[in-house]
Amino acid sequence: AIVLNQSPSSIIASQGEKVTITCRASSSISSNYLHWYQQKPGAFPKLVIYSTSYRASGVPSRFSGSGSGTSYSFTISRVEAEDVATYYCQQGSSNPYTFGAGTKLELK
Amino acid sequence: EVQLVESGGGLVQPGRSLKLSCAASGFTFSNYYMAWVRQAPKKGLEWVATISTSGSRTYYPDSVKGRFTISRDNAKSSLYLQMNSLKSEDTATYYCARHEYYGYKAFDYWGQGVMVTVSS
Repeated sequence: AIVLNQSPSSIIASQGEKVTITCRASSSISSNYLHWYQQKPGAFPKLVIYSTSYRASGVPSRFSGSGSGTSYSFTISRVEAEDVATYYCQQGSSNPYTFGAGTKLELK
Repeated sequence: EVQLVESGGGLVQPGRSLKLSCAASGFTFSNYYMAWVRQAPKKGLEWVATISTSGSRTYYPDSVKGRFTISRDNAKSSLYLQMNSLKSEDTATYYCARHEYYGYKAFDYWGQGVMVTVSS
């Protein structure tokens, strides 16, 4: 199984700050199959970035993604209060379809 | 608007069975692979099962293979998860999700989830 190592596990940021989350895969995956989800407290997950860098419908432009091979990143250019959530990466390259352990974003 | 509404959760004893349902609307259900993803309390996300558009192909991780069965009824736009031989570690919120399978295999829409508690 492909293991996804996310870091950091938690971030405390100020509004307006730039934050970056890293997802490292245990083996190389096509960038087509690396995705990011946002799960706000008490809510279900929501797809925000698919295929490394494409924003899902309705997702603000402050969210972006990049990467290739085994190293991927997710960035919020200017954090807003509504971005408080846990963020997960996920790979669709091979069965079992695995998720990273999550990164919890809190506001200072 | 895509809507996925799960039902059937609850408290069940170890070793017993439970069947979850998911009612889909807002899209052509029969055109999409569907999946179940779970989340243990205060834990991360774990993919549980995926089913093809016709139901002829199913996929599971080793953690549930042989105990869980995913199925669908395209006429009713409904997805199911039959869970047998339940263990305490199956305690989780179970999400129904649309599985975009032809392109990039992301879970592009999710339901609100249903809680399953396995305890004596």
